[in-house]
Amino acid sequence: AQKVTQAQTEISVVEKEDVTLDCVYETRDTTYYLFWYKQPPSGELVFLIRRNSFDEQNEISGRYSWNFQKSTSSFNFTITASQVVDSAVYFCALSAQGNLIFGKGTKLSVKP
Amino acid sequence: DAGITQSPRHKVTETGTPVTLRCHQTENHRYMYWYRQDPGHGLRLIHYSYGVKDTDKGEVSDGYSVSRSKTEDFLLTLESATSSQTSVYFCAISESLTGLYGYTFGSGTRLTVV
Repeated sequence: AQKVTQAQTEISVVEKEDVTLDCVYETRDTTYYLFWYKQPPSGELVFLIRRNSFDEQNEISGRYSWNFQKSTSSFNFTITASQVVDSAVYFCALSAQGNLIFGKGTKLSVKP
Repeated sequence: DAGITQSPRHKVTETGTPVTLRCHQTENHRYMYWYRQDPGHGLRLIHYSYGVKDTDKGEVSDGYSVSRSKTEDFLLTLESATSSQTSVYFCAISESLTGLYGYTFGSGTRLTVV
């Protein structure tokens, strides 16, 4: 069975703080893909990153960074120097053998 | 131009009436998906299609049917809408079943069953 767990339901930070969103996944497949999506208040799903199971390199994109660790089945997402525009619901997702399985999401509120 | 569009964007319907949501793509992707999003549940897969006339059930398929008569269109039908089907529905497309090329999502359809 495949599963994605985002234990943090809601996080509230003050602007310029760093924040890490946790994602733990379960799968028996050796080939799989992990994703992060952002859903701003407007409702659309915005793709942030895709990582395959063979690439454990961390990735940085501007203020965003991702830490993939197969040993702990985690794919955590860090926002450095958060901004109000980062306020959204963030979803972690896992794809293996055809289905994209989502976590329940973490609602991030960044206050000025 | 968006490669995937959903219609309608919003709909209010009465309990017991049939409802059809449409997903249209211009990317010629083989795989299409319908998800529903509910508070506290994230997005859950309803049905997916791996080709014309080829569909399969997802996690929450009860009460829903789908059809795909053309590559570009994937229809989701609620035969007799219930209040529990009030939700936001997202369509997605992909080139690969494994996620190799990622997924593209539509803008969503907000359905309210009263």
